[in-house]
Amino acid sequence: GNSVTQMEGPVTLSEEAFLTINCTYTATGYPSLFWYVQYPGEGLQLLLKATKADDKGSNKGFEATYRKETTSFHLEKGSVQVSDSAVYFCALSHNSGGSNYKLTFGKGTLLTVNP
Amino acid sequence: GAGVSQSPSNKVTEKGKDVELRCDPISGHTALYWYRQSLGQGLEFLIYFQGNSAPDKSGLPSDRFSAERTGGSVSTLTIQRTQQEDSAVYLCAGGKNRAWGEQYFGPGTRLTVT
Repeated sequence: GNSVTQMEGPVTLSEEAFLTINCTYTATGYPSLFWYVQYPGEGLQLLLKATKADDKGSNKGFEATYRKETTSFHLEKGSVQVSDSAVYFCALSHNSGGSNYKLTFGKGTLLTVNP
Repeated sequence: GAGVSQSPSNKVTEKGKDVELRCDPISGHTALYWYRQSLGQGLEFLIYFQGNSAPDKSGLPSDRFSAERTGGSVSTLTIQRTQQEDSAVYLCAGGKNRAWGEQYFGPGTRLTVT
C-alpha cells in the first residue's frame, strides 16, 4: 500500500537558519504530494503541493520538488522565522479508481524556531 | 462561516458510552473525509463521502464506528460503546470533487474516553 516516511524530529533551529525536512514515499503509479502544516492551536492547513514529477510547490518561502527518481518530496526554507514553529506533515494522495483522494500522512515533524 | 466547523471541540465520555461528532464542511465541497489523529498511529483515514455515492468505509477500525452525511452537507461520526483506545482527535476535511488531495480541515474534536 501507500506510505510516507518523514524525518521525525523534533527539529529546533535559530531564526534565519536553513530548514530541510526529509520526506520519502511509496506508492504505485503517480501520486500527488503535499505538505500540510499545523500551527499551535489550529487545524491542518495545506502549505504546498505538487501533482506530477519535477513539479515544484512553493508557498510562504517554503519549497518542495517532486522527485520521482528518488521518491522524495523534501521541504526546504532558506530562512525560518519564529512564526514557522509548527508541526509539518508530508502526505500523498493517490486515486486507484473511483473518486477517493484520501490522504496518507507521514508521522509529522515538530519544528521549533527560537529567536 | 467560511471554514469547516466541528462540534464539540472537546468531548469527555465514559467507556461504553456512545458519542456523536459533527462536521459542517465548506459549502460546495462535495467530498468529505474523516480522519483520526492519535499519538500512536498518527493521522489515519476513516471514511469518505462524495455527493450521493455510497461512502468508502475502508478506514473504519471496527463496526462500532459509523458515519452518515445528510443532504450532501453535514456529517456525523458515531462511535458506539467507546473504548479507551478511541481517544484521539477526530478531524473532518472537505474538498472539491477530484481535487487531488487538496483538502480543507476543521479544527477537530478531541475525544477522551475515561
